[in-house]
Amino acid sequence: AQSVTQLGSHVSVSEGALVLLRCNYSSSVPPYLFWYVQYPNQGLQLLLKYTSAATLVKGINGFEAEFKKSETSFHLTKPSAHMSDAAEYFCAVSYQAGTALIFGKGTTLSVSS
Amino acid sequence: KAGVTQTPRYLIKTRGQQVTLSCSPISGHRSVSWYQQTPGQGLQFLFEYFSETQRNKGNFPGRFSGRQFSNSRSEMNVSTLELGDSALYLCASSKGTGAGYGYTFGSGTRLTVV
Repeated sequence: AQSVTQLGSHVSVSEGALVLLRCNYSSSVPPYLFWYVQYPNQGLQLLLKYTSAATLVKGINGFEAEFKKSETSFHLTKPSAHMSDAAEYFCAVSYQAGTALIFGKGTTLSVSS
Repeated sequence: KAGVTQTPRYLIKTRGQQVTLSCSPISGHRSVSWYQQTPGQGLQFLFEYFSETQRNKGNFPGRFSGRQFSNSRSEMNVSTLELGDSALYLCASSKGTGAGYGYTFGSGTRLTVV
């Protein structure tokens, strides 16, 4: 079965530090990959998506992710964390054959001053 | 432009009752998907509708059902509610069917079953 693994359910960084949230997928075919952010009591907001164009994808709020087929990874990064980045982040995958998104378990990002 | 609108935002129901949740997609979007979010199971796909037809269904019991109207608005219904149905129900709309179009999510309906 297809799956998405987010390494680390909780990541803590200091304001201004690098943010790295890890995501690995299981797939034998090229997937569509997404990163979403969820603030408390809110829905999901799309940060960025990979749809087989450029392997380095730039998203909103300074986030970017790199698709690495050899590592089946799609890690999310941001050079400098801001307090407002504190939220839960979800990696999701979808495939050509179906349309449903398969989500990882999520990573809660905490940012301290 | 208006985003995905889900109503109501919060709902409290009693075990055994049924509930209907509503989702209005972004104007021009014809696909609506529903997801259940719980602390234990995370985000799980319920079903997807496109042009009033169910295109895909997740692994949920038959108590969970949905429909889509000609204006693309969608409703989901849960009958004979169980405590485990307490969750945030998220609706996502898309221009077409297929992940390449991308999905825009609503703010969700928080259902509490007591």
